[in-house]
Amino acid sequence: RKEVEQDPGPFNVPEGATVAFNCTYSNSASQSFFWYRQDCRKEPKLLMSVYSSGNEDGRFTAQLNRASQYISLLIRDSKLSDSATYLCVSGGGGGADGLTFGKGTHLIIQP
Amino acid sequence: DVKVTQSSRYLVKRTGEKVFLECVQDMDHENMFWYRQDPGLGLRLIYFSYDVKMKEKGDIPEGYSVSREKKERFSLILESASTNQTSMYLCASIQQGLGTDTQYFGPGTRLTVL
Repeated sequence: RKEVEQDPGPFNVPEGATVAFNCTYSNSASQSFFWYRQDCRKEPKLLMSVYSSGNEDGRFTAQLNRASQYISLLIRDSKLSDSATYLCVSGGGGGADGLTFGKGTHLIIQP
Repeated sequence: DVKVTQSSRYLVKRTGEKVFLECVQDMDHENMFWYRQDPGLGLRLIYFSYDVKMKEKGDIPEGYSVSREKKERFSLILESASTNQTSMYLCASIQQGLGTDTQYFGPGTRLTVL
C-alpha cells in the first residue's frame, strides 16, 4: 500500500522565522514528488515540485532524499500569508492512478 | 491556464437521494480523479479514469459510481446518498510530462447529506 506520512502539526511559528517539515513515503518506485498548499476550505494547489537535485523558489526550498525516502520543505522568513496546510505528495511516475497525498501539516504563522 | 470546474460549491441533499457531481477540465487531460477530503483522514481517492468510458476504483469506491462519456467531463454519482457521505469532494485532472505529473484540482463541492 502506498503511503505518505507527515506530522499533522499544528506548527505555531513566529513571523520571520524559518520552519521545516519532513514527510516520508513508502513506495520506493515513486518517481515524482510535490508539495501542495491548501488554504482553509479551498482546493489544494501546487506549491512546488521536488527534484532529486533539490530546488528553490524564493523563500521555499524542497529537498528529496531517495535513500531514506523522505521529502522536506523549508520556508525562510515566514509570512502571515504562509499559514496553510502543506500536503506532501508522491507519484508513481505513470500518473494513471494519480498521486498519493499525505494528510497534511498545518502551519500557523503568528504575528 | 488549466481550469478544472465543478458544478456546485455547496450542496445539501437528503438521505436516499441520488446525487450527481460534475467535473469539467479544459486542458485535454486523459486522467481525471474524484477524491473526498475529511478532517483527519486527508484526501482519499474514490475513482479515477484514464480515458473516455474507462474507470478504475480508488481506495474507497463503495457507495459511489462514475461516468466518463466525454474526455473533458467526469461525473461522480451517489446512487443513494447517506449521511456518512457528507464531505468535501474534489475533482482533479493530471497533466503528464517528463518527470512531472502536475495534478490540478477543482474548487471542491461541499456536500451535506441530512
